[in-house]
Amino acid sequence: KAGVTQTPRYLIKTRGQQVTLSCSPISGHRSVSWYQQTPGQGLQFLFEYFSETQRNKGNFPGRFSGRQFSNSRSEMNVSTLELGDSALYLCASSLGTAGGYNEQFFGPGTRLTVL
Amino acid sequence: GESVGLHLPTLSVQEGDNSIINCAYSNSASDYFIWYKQESGKGPQFIIDIRSNMDKRQGQRVTVLLNKTVKHLSLQIAATQPGDSAVYFCAENIIGGKLIFGQGTELSVKP
Repeated sequence: KAGVTQTPRYLIKTRGQQVTLSCSPISGHRSVSWYQQTPGQGLQFLFEYFSETQRNKGNFPGRFSGRQFSNSRSEMNVSTLELGDSALYLCASSLGTAGGYNEQFFGPGTRLTVL
Repeated sequence: GESVGLHLPTLSVQEGDNSIINCAYSNSASDYFIWYKQESGKGPQFIIDIRSNMDKRQGQRVTVLLNKTVKHLSLQIAATQPGDSAVYFCAENIIGGKLIFGQGTELSVKP
């Protein structure tokens, strides 16, 4: 079974631009969560999507948004990029069954550099 | 606020020794605790998890201990190997697909 895939793997943007990152979950998984990883803040939860609906949200500004499609693939968008948005963006998929914890499987991440 | 912290940022051990990585958490409502391993250039990889109603769980060469009284979590790796060198994160699950991660401990195994 194929793992979680993320595209692109590397991206360079300039301040003020916007960016869209893509995540394809493991087949059969309906939940996709996004995380930002930086040396200073570590791994921080951005949001979770399940059945095309945002189910949980972290403490990030509105510039960070996402969506999920009917095939469970997900995209996240960052508008008006700032230097501090440079990070590794990870997505994780899980079965997402209701009632609590499901093991999350992570993709390799997209390395975003903002100049 | 929500936080999961690690006591030691780096840990260096000799090949064959046992490793212990510690973690403190703050949210009593968390129902699962998970350990992840992250190698350079890769996403976090699941190692083992433990439910909040347990105090110990064993896997292959790994054991996780949970002490809810002091909100402490530890990962024990037996007979540490060079391939175990990585950054280890603890995480807690509070709701759905939301994980709160600790800062990470870098484990270095000397041959």
